[in-house]
Amino acid sequence: AQSVTQLDSQVPVFEEAPVELRCNYSSSVSVYLFWYVQYPNQGLQLLLKYLSGSTLVESINGFEAEFNKSQTSFHLRKPSVHISDTAEYFCAVLLSGSSNTGKLIFGQGTTLQVKP
Amino acid sequence: DGGITQSPKYLFRKEGQNVTLSCEQNLNHDAMYWYRQDPGQGLRLIYYSQIVNDFQKGDIAEGYSVSREKKESFPLTVTSAQKNPTAFYLCASRSREGGETQYFGPGTRLLVL
Repeated sequence: AQSVTQLDSQVPVFEEAPVELRCNYSSSVSVYLFWYVQYPNQGLQLLLKYLSGSTLVESINGFEAEFNKSQTSFHLRKPSVHISDTAEYFCAVLLSGSSNTGKLIFGQGTTLQVKP
Repeated sequence: DGGITQSPKYLFRKEGQNVTLSCEQNLNHDAMYWYRQDPGQGLRLIYYSQIVNDFQKGDIAEGYSVSREKKESFPLTVTSAQKNPTAFYLCASRSREGGETQYFGPGTRLLVL
């Protein structure tokens, strides 16, 4: 069965340090990949997505993620985090065969805790 | 402003009671989704609808019901058959015309009295 695994449930990091949030998926078909961010008691906001083309995608607030097909990964990185990046981050996969229904498969989430 | 609204923000349910969560969107999206979020479990799909007057069960539909009478609205009813309803409920929508991205509402937190 297809699945998404976020390898770390919590990632503590000091302000201005780099961070990587890991995401691996299992699928034998083509996929679209997403990272969402959730601040406390709010809905999910799209951070970035990979649909096709360049395997490195960037967000407007300094995050980037790289699609690695051979390793079935889509890790999220930021070279220097801010206190305001403290949130929960979700990796999600849309199987190409499910593009009609739009059914996403979500990872369990990673809580990024940025310390001063 | 275009977006998705959910109401109420907090909802309390008594034993044996049915409660309805509202989800409205003005994005002109065809598809709408309901998710349940529990700590450490990510999001799980309850129901989804791709078009008015049609909807399908997701992975955890038992104890829930939905309707889709209008394109803009996709209410979720948590019935008394749902024995563990305490969770954060999120509604999302998506354009079917070449749109892979789902956009989420602010959520409703359901608590049991």
